[in-house]
Amino acid sequence: SQQGEEDPQALSIQEGENATMNCSYKTSINNLQWYRQNSGRGLVHLILIRSNEREKHSGRLRVTLDTSKKSSSLLITASRAADTASYFCATVNAGGTSYGKLTFGQGTILTVHP
Amino acid sequence: GAGVSQSPSNKVTEKGKDVELRCDPISGHTALYWYRQRLGQGLEFLIYFQGNSAPDKSGLPSDRFSAERTGESVSTLTIQRTQQEDSAVYLCASSVQVYNEQFFGPGTRLTVL
Repeated sequence: SQQGEEDPQALSIQEGENATMNCSYKTSINNLQWYRQNSGRGLVHLILIRSNEREKHSGRLRVTLDTSKKSSSLLITASRAADTASYFCATVNAGGTSYGKLTFGQGTILTVHP
Repeated sequence: GAGVSQSPSNKVTEKGKDVELRCDPISGHTALYWYRQRLGQGLEFLIYFQGNSAPDKSGLPSDRFSAERTGESVSTLTIQRTQQEDSAVYLCASSVQVYNEQFFGPGTRLTVL
């Protein structure tokens, strides 16, 4: 079953604007990861945030995690046409039997217009 | 350094045939994962390897699916008697150890006619 659920399903913005995508999940997690996928292939790892962290930055990306609400957000600032892609959040459940496997949501399709 | 590689990149087969998909993880990565992505959907977990043992096979959809791994190196995913619903992109990922970032290969697009 899908753990992370992204919102919105699709987002269309102009170059230079910020894009915010949200992810909700249901169980206790060890960490949450965000990935980008272009053209149905090539998953690229963006950021990993652990359950004891609240915020992480990487370049133009900012990820927040609220474990009390079981939610995360990905903010892309000053978007570029090259940011056009599908974005997925994926959770790793807490507990020794999770083996670190990722449970993916359905993704948010981001389109950045030049 | 080299990333995760997979072969073949595309495979078209007839229903009922067996297929073998290959994954070469990043050198030194102990954990290896197989996922499947159907058209327009997120990824589904299939199987996990720690070294060459598979402690979690919970995601394998049926007994037609099997996988093995040689040491901390190459892994193969075998699908016997393929069905049309097996059509998907099969993605392999590796990580230094569990609970770390997973790095994905480009995937194998399997089409069962």
